[in-house]
Amino acid sequence: DIQMTQSPSTLSASVGDRVTITCRASKNIRNYLAWYQQKPGEAPKLLISKASTLEGGVPSRFSGSNSGTEYTLTINSLQPEDFATYYCQQYYMYLTFGPGTKVNIK
Amino acid sequence: QVQLVQSGAEVKHPGSSVKVSCRVSGGTFTTSAISWVRQAPGQGLEWMGGIIPVLRTPNYAQKFQGRVTITADDSTSTGYLEMTSLTSEDTAVYYCARGVDRGVGASTVHFDHWGQGTLVTVSS
Repeated sequence: DIQMTQSPSTLSASVGDRVTITCRASKNIRNYLAWYQQKPGEAPKLLISKASTLEGGVPSRFSGSNSGTEYTLTINSLQPEDFATYYCQQYYMYLTFGPGTKVNIK
Repeated sequence: QVQLVQSGAEVKHPGSSVKVSCRVSGGTFTTSAISWVRQAPGQGLEWMGGIIPVLRTPNYAQKFQGRVTITADDSTSTGYLEMTSLTSEDTAVYYCARGVDRGVGASTVHFDHWGQGTLVTVSS
């Protein structure tokens, strides 16, 4: 199985901050990496696929990038509605999710 | 507009089975990858398996092989998850999700639409 790690597990930030979440794959997943946002009591919502392709309707302050097996989700100018838990997911081979990063209000 | 609507909450005794349904409207059901992802209370997301209805053959995460059966009914555009030998550790919200197939199968998808979730509680 391909293992996914995320860091940090939690982070505290303020409205307007730039936030970066990192996801690392145990093997080369060839950019087959998606990012999801989940709010309490709701289903996850797809933000980004193929490492950097923003889904329709997702604000442009969200972006994805990668370097080797390290993938990054960046939120520029954090908004109140962005406080949530974020998961990465590889879909190169037998898909797996990262453990999640909870973004709290500082 | 794609929508996935799941069946209602279930309470089960240890050792019993549960079957959850997911009706899909909009999109093309037979070529979509209908998958199941669960989330235990306060925990992360765990993929259980999926099926592309036109291919008939499901893919399962190794952890659930032999205890989970995923099927799809083309005539009603409904996917099903059945799980046997339930324990308290199976208490979770079970989501169905539509996977975007990159041409390799139901185990290599990401999810663009999700159901509302079905809470399954296993308790004596």
